[in-house]
Amino acid sequence: DIVMTQSPDSLAVSLGERATINCKSSQTVLYDSNNKNYLAWYQQKPGQPPKLLLHWASSRESGVPDRFRGSGSGTDFTLTISSLQAEDVAVYYCQQYYRTPPTFGQGTKLEMK
Amino acid sequence: QLQLQESGPGLVKPSETLSLTCTVSGGSISSSGFHWGWLRQPPGKGLEWTGTVSYSGSTYYNSSLKSRATISLDTSENQFSLKLSSVTAADTAVYYCARLVCSGTSCPLLFYFDLWGRGTLVTVSS
Repeated sequence: DIVMTQSPDSLAVSLGERATINCKSSQTVLYDSNNKNYLAWYQQKPGQPPKLLLHWASSRESGVPDRFRGSGSGTDFTLTISSLQAEDVAVYYCQQYYRTPPTFGQGTKLEMK
Repeated sequence: QLQLQESGPGLVKPSETLSLTCTVSGGSISSSGFHWGWLRQPPGKGLEWTGTVSYSGSTYYNSSLKSRATISLDTSENQFSLKLSSVTAADTAVYYCARLVCSGTSCPLLFYFDLWGRGTLVTVSS
């Protein structure tokens, strides 16, 4: 199975500041044939199911604010929240869908400083 | 708007079978191109894919479950279900049903999850 490792495990950021979450896969999730990275990002708030934020590493879902940006390729990816809002406090997960079974990172808990 | 809702017992005894149902509203589960799945999240831990059923009834499972899982479609009720046999305390988790998104020839093996149910906690305990 592909192992997804996120860093840091937890992060405290001030309101309006930038938050950066990293995700590393144990092997590439980039398909050469279509030049797409098979990586998704989710946000999970307490007591709620995960919410899909981005797929193909950088494509935002409809309704997701543009302060959420995904970047990276191959094995190293980043989720950046450009200006942290109170409602962004949550746990964030990356997921690879390059190979079955799909696997998730362990999660990064984002808190307000 | 498509919605998913899990239902089933919240407490299961060790060695018994866990049974959950996901009711889909706002759309047909047998519509071509739709695929559905189950995931679980042990308390305080991360997410694990359990298995998938496609609109045609084809199924795929996480090998980590060692053949204990069975997923099926009930098109008459617009539901799909999960059965997990021989449960232990390690199977205690919030179980989610979800819709899968895949494209082209990668379907339904390579996918992410765009719609989720609210989840249901299943505790395995005597």
